[in-house]
Amino acid sequence: GAGVSQTPSNKVTEKGKYVELRCDPISGHTALYWYRQSLGQGPEFLIYFQGTGAADDSGLPNDRFFAVRPEGSVSTLKIQRTERGDSAVYLCASSPNSQYNEQFFGPGTRLTVL
Amino acid sequence: GQQVMQIPQYQHVQEGEDFTTYCNSSTTLSNIQWYKQRPGGHPVFLIQLVKSGEVKKQKRLTFQFGEAKKNSSLHITATQTTDVGTYFCAGPNAGGTSYGKLTFGQGTILTVHP
Repeated sequence: GAGVSQTPSNKVTEKGKYVELRCDPISGHTALYWYRQSLGQGPEFLIYFQGTGAADDSGLPNDRFFAVRPEGSVSTLKIQRTERGDSAVYLCASSPNSQYNEQFFGPGTRLTVL
Repeated sequence: GQQVMQIPQYQHVQEGEDFTTYCNSSTTLSNIQWYKQRPGGHPVFLIQLVKSGEVKKQKRLTFQFGEAKKNSSLHITATQTTDVGTYFCAGPNAGGTSYGKLTFGQGTILTVHP
C-alpha cells in the first residue's frame, strides 16, 4: 500500500513569510509524528498526535510553530514569520498507534528560508 | 532533557570489513530502536530492542541493548556497498507516558569503499 506522503517536497520562502507543510499518513495509522532534521543531525522531535489530539507538543521550538490534525488523518505543520534558522527537512512519520513503536517516515519537505 | 549520543560520527571501511556504532542515552530507555537513512532518503526502521541485555540478529547485523538499558550497539559483519548510509539509534524515556516521543542520536555515517 501507499506509504507516508508529504507535500510539497521542496519549499523556498522568504524570511517573515508563513508556510504550511502537509503530511498524509498511512491509511489507518492513528499516530502521526513531526520531526525536523538539520544537515548532519538526527531527526528532532516536534510533536505527535494520537488521533486528532496532540499527545505531546513539547518539541515545538516556539509559538511560531503549530500543527493540526482535525480529522485524525492528514496533518498540517504551520510556521509563522519564518526565520532562516527554520531551514531544514521536515519529516512526518506515522504508526498504527503511539504504543506501536516502529515509525514509518515520509520523504520529507525541504524548507529553505531565504 | 534526554540526550542520545552516538559514536563514531563517521566511519569509512573497505568492503568486507566489519563496522560498529555505539549509542548512549543520558536516561534509561523503555526500548531502543535503530533506523537507517540512505543518502537523500528518509529514516527506515531496522529493529527494536526492549529487554535488558537483549541481542538480536538480522543477517549480517547484530544489535545489542545494554544491561542498564542506557546503551546499545549495532555491528555489521563483512560490510557491503549496500550498507552505505547513516545509522540512527532512538528511544523513548522509560517511565514516561509519551510513548511516541523518540529522541534520536546524531547518527553514524558509514561509507564503504569497494
